[in-house]
Amino acid sequence: DSGVTQTPKHLITATGQRVTLRCSPRSGDLSVYWYQQSLDQGLQFLIQYYNGEERAKGNILERFSAQQFPDLHSELNLSSLELGDSALYFCASSERQGAKNEQYFGPGTRLTVT
Amino acid sequence: AQKITQTQPGMFVQEKEAVTLDCTYDTSDPSYGLFWYKQPSSGEMIFLIYQGSYDQQNATEGRYSLNFQKARKSANLVISASQLGDSAMYFCAMREGQGDYKLSFGAGTTVTVRA
Repeated sequence: DSGVTQTPKHLITATGQRVTLRCSPRSGDLSVYWYQQSLDQGLQFLIQYYNGEERAKGNILERFSAQQFPDLHSELNLSSLELGDSALYFCASSERQGAKNEQYFGPGTRLTVT
Repeated sequence: AQKITQTQPGMFVQEKEAVTLDCTYDTSDPSYGLFWYKQPSSGEMIFLIYQGSYDQQNATEGRYSLNFQKARKSANLVISASQLGDSAMYFCAMREGQGDYKLSFGAGTTVTVRA
């Protein structure tokens, strides 16, 4: 158990819908990252938050948005869903201190868009 | 350009033998970190080992060791004494810079351990 929690574990929804994925980082970790894993694109970085503020953006679509709340949990909002958005979405967290800064991943949310 | 290249899509290894997973990387940043993660069929990503660009020694963590060749820009993972539970997908990843920056992942290598 990495200490990072994600809900829900599975999500099935229809095209055009909107969903929210939730992540709670490890206790004490201020940085939260979102990654998307799909068969055709592999593992891709979407966005990072540090202590409530957006820190870095990757290949995140405009239909997607995220935020980190004062209690440090984060939500990834996906709207106007398309079939191609079906993927495993991971949240990871790190403590930012130290040289290693390894990222610990949550179990992921498997999104299926039908 | 690909930052992380894993050229072996799949590998078979006999139980109790060692296996080496290849990883090459591309960066112009002198400060970077290299990571290996394991993804079993259940889907979670498990951190295995880390090597910093300034580390003089190759990293080791139990049965995992990292063969770091900086001049060749390679960071191969060696799993010794393979076990059936090692069957999984293995990802090499890189963080450029010193700090809490994003990871760039390779395509992964599937390892299947045979009894």
